[in-house]
Amino acid sequence: DAEITQSPRHKITETGRQVTLACHQTWNHNNMFWYRQDLGHGLRLIHYSYGVQDTNKGEVSDGYSVSRSNTEDLPLTLESAASSQTSVYFCASSARTGGYEQFFGPGTRLTVL
Amino acid sequence: QQQVKQSPQSLIVQKGGIPIINCAYENTAFDYFPWYQQFPGKGPALLIAIRPDVSEKKEGRFTISFNKSAKQFSLHIMDSQPGDSATYFCAASITGFQKLVFGTGTRLLVSP
Repeated sequence: DAEITQSPRHKITETGRQVTLACHQTWNHNNMFWYRQDLGHGLRLIHYSYGVQDTNKGEVSDGYSVSRSNTEDLPLTLESAASSQTSVYFCASSARTGGYEQFFGPGTRLTVL
Repeated sequence: QQQVKQSPQSLIVQKGGIPIINCAYENTAFDYFPWYQQFPGKGPALLIAIRPDVSEKKEGRFTISFNKSAKQFSLHIMDSQPGDSATYFCAASITGFQKLVFGTGTRLLVSP
């Protein structure tokens, strides 16, 4: 069955370190998204991609970067982790055409000390 | 800048009650309004969605009511069950852009 996976599921890191969160989908979806979820803020869009080599900034992109070298993966990199980036991160994907349903991964809980 | 405002933040109802969650949007270009359901430790999943050409959509016990002139939409859960206890997010999107703008979420607890 097609799915979307995230790794690691939990990560503790220190301020200033570079961190990469992985997202892999087997839906063959063109569109992929990264969100962060914080209490009181809901889900906020960090970066998104409509296809290979395409990346776009979302609402809260400062301090984050992504790259899309293939259809299946969209890794999220925190260049220099800050305590304000402690959050739960969700990756999602959707098809280029048809419906707009986004399929979400299980999330990564990141703690920056 | 919150483009989709959701209320209440939390809600407690008894089994069989009808919880109502409300959302309001500002951007009149939005033309797709989904609701996502999230259980603890899981990612959100699409529950039901509506487009502004209809005022109501039902799927099982879940109903979306849509008021285009007021720029508001709401989720009603009929005969709510303890298994409906979850966080619910409304969202909005513009056709062709795919990306969603989410509300802040409502934590629903249905007591037995």
